[in-house]
Amino acid sequence: QKEVEQNSGPLSVPEGAIASLNCTYSDRGSQSFFWYRQYSGKSPELIMSIYSNGDKEDGRFTAQLNKASQYVSLLIRDSQPSDSATYLCAVIRGGGSNYKLTFGKGTLLTVNP
Amino acid sequence: ETGVTQTPRHLVMGMTNKKSLKCEQHLGHNAMYWYKQSAKKPLELMFVYSLEERVENNSVPSRFSPECPNSSHLFLHLHTLQPEDSALYLCASSPNSGGILQTQYFGPGTRLLVL
Repeated sequence: QKEVEQNSGPLSVPEGAIASLNCTYSDRGSQSFFWYRQYSGKSPELIMSIYSNGDKEDGRFTAQLNKASQYVSLLIRDSQPSDSATYLCAVIRGGGSNYKLTFGKGTLLTVNP
Repeated sequence: ETGVTQTPRHLVMGMTNKKSLKCEQHLGHNAMYWYKQSAKKPLELMFVYSLEERVENNSVPSRFSPECPNSSHLFLHLHTLQPEDSALYLCASSPNSGGILQTQYFGPGTRLLVL
């Protein structure tokens, strides 16, 4: 089983729609969860971080975490063509010598005008 | 701009060459990271430095040698690389390592091609 799994896509949504990106992880000890956006040819940039169960909203972005189901998602409301990018899920477990950071392969999102 | 710079941005080298990648962060962070990003693969964490000490080495081949002379600078020394080492090498920094609040700020990356 892959440690952090994402559907590679591409996920295609029309402009103005809600884009839903999903991520599952295998390590129940995971504590911190991040969504990064990476435009083609660019480096990843942080979109959202979430640490406790439930929803966290920031503008058009909502991160949802369900630790019991080992599932974290990112919703993008009112999707814009500028949201077209690869979205990376990252999961951190532990600290100090037990620190482990794992990224998923990413989901390619295309927002069509 | 994230406050993390990398040089060079592009590098072509032969398998017998020796080169170094440089990363500098202007954020006052205490932890710095090297990642490798290959096509169709997840971002791979290579090395972690916290307060200039290496805290993680993810079974990276010895042809990659990191160096962290101070908390603002990180190098990746390359020698006798293989064509499969061609990838985007990303540097990142975070306020500290070991805690759960690990927002990573990435540099623009060095696109490496090994011939």
